[in-house]
Amino acid sequence: AQSVAQPEDQVNVAEGNPLTVKCTYSVSGNPYLFWYVQYPNRGLQFLLKYITGDNLVKGSYGFEAEFNKSQTSFHLKKPSALVSDSALYFCAVRDGGGSYIPTFGRGTSLIVHP
Amino acid sequence: GAGVSQSPSNKVTEKGKDVELRCDPISGHTALYWYRQRLGQGLEFLIYFQGNSAPDKSGLPSDRFSAERTGESVSTLTIQRTQQEDSAVYLCASSPVAGAGELFFGEGSRLTVL
Repeated sequence: AQSVAQPEDQVNVAEGNPLTVKCTYSVSGNPYLFWYVQYPNRGLQFLLKYITGDNLVKGSYGFEAEFNKSQTSFHLKKPSALVSDSALYFCAVRDGGGSYIPTFGRGTSLIVHP
Repeated sequence: GAGVSQSPSNKVTEKGKDVELRCDPISGHTALYWYRQRLGQGLEFLIYFQGNSAPDKSGLPSDRFSAERTGESVSTLTIQRTQQEDSAVYLCASSPVAGAGELFFGEGSRLTVL
């Protein structure tokens, strides 16, 4: 079985400050990890993924995420938040040796204050 | 178009009626997924198609739900005898490679059952 947890329903941060959106996962095999962003009334857009290799993954719009195997985490980060980053963020995981179907977290609402 | 196209974007129906939702994936994408997103909740997997293989229907919540896909083209999700709890946004996604890469999402079909 595979699962993902996003422990925060909402994250508030001031513009210009660093942001972190947390994600932890559980899989039997090697994890394939993804972050997506959803703007109001839109579908999900891919931000970045970890399959193998360097634990620090860089993606779109200045976002990055760090894969931590010992803590089974894949937190999303950005050094300096923008008001336009305000959106719903989803972490997803799939078992690299098993199902082709990714499991998504409940989502975290990021609010960046001017 | 270049992206995943879903129709209708909005559908309001009466309890007990049947509805059909359509998804046109990105050309050449062999994998197609349907997810359901209820208000304030994460994405709930419904069904997965990969090429001409038998679909993975393990996420369909009841026998009122069914989906079809012809080859690697359009897919339709049908909900029979709709109930109020079926109200949600139905998201379709496609991927060029089965499970290894990110998903490309459509903007969703918002279903409201009165």
